[in-house]
Amino acid sequence: AQKITQTQPGMFVQEKEAVTLDCTYDTSDQSYGLFWYKQPSSGEMIFLIYQGSYDEQNATEGRYSLNFQKARKSANLVISASQLGDSAMYFCAMRELDTGRRALTFGSGTRLQVQP
Amino acid sequence: DVKVTQSSRYLVKRTGEKVFLECVQDMDHENMFWYRQDPGLGLRLIYFSYDVKMKEKGDIPEGYSVSREKKERFSLILESASTNQTSMYLCASSRPTLDEQFFGPGTRLTVL
Repeated sequence: AQKITQTQPGMFVQEKEAVTLDCTYDTSDQSYGLFWYKQPSSGEMIFLIYQGSYDEQNATEGRYSLNFQKARKSANLVISASQLGDSAMYFCAMRELDTGRRALTFGSGTRLQVQP
Repeated sequence: DVKVTQSSRYLVKRTGEKVFLECVQDMDHENMFWYRQDPGLGLRLIYFSYDVKMKEKGDIPEGYSVSREKKERFSLILESASTNQTSMYLCASSRPTLDEQFFGPGTRLTVL
């Protein structure tokens, strides 16, 4: 089974609108962390936001928020007021603490295109 | 400004060549990682290291080896490059705690 599933290979959004990128995960660990990264066409991976499995509040970082629904095992990224510079690949990732896995497990990514 | 650097942005090699990809971080991180990125597959872990001279296989270690002789440097080695190793290679580092990983700019390797 896929550990991280991103079902949207590509998304379009109009500038200034909000967009939600979907991410579901599969783990039997109780302690884990969820991450979102942005990868522009230049290739570097940029960390956006983090949510711990025990965090009661949804994480927010500026225009980014993480809609964490633990029971559904989903961790969707919400980008408010989209900008042209938000056009990029977005990856959801998980680190499972109970198993001691130090590396991240990534989803296949969603390519977001912001249209003027 | 914290940094992870990789020796090359683009590399073209021939089948059978030995290839070295170098990664250096200046954050004194214990953990270092090598990922491979292919379209539709996301990033997959090749190897990681949690200390000098310590390494563990990731999800797709076949055809690769690694070396970590100094804390700041982590090398990925393709002993005999093959065309199916044409890919984007990303190095990352992190602390042992649940913090984000910092990534290098990536090396796009083409094996002809």
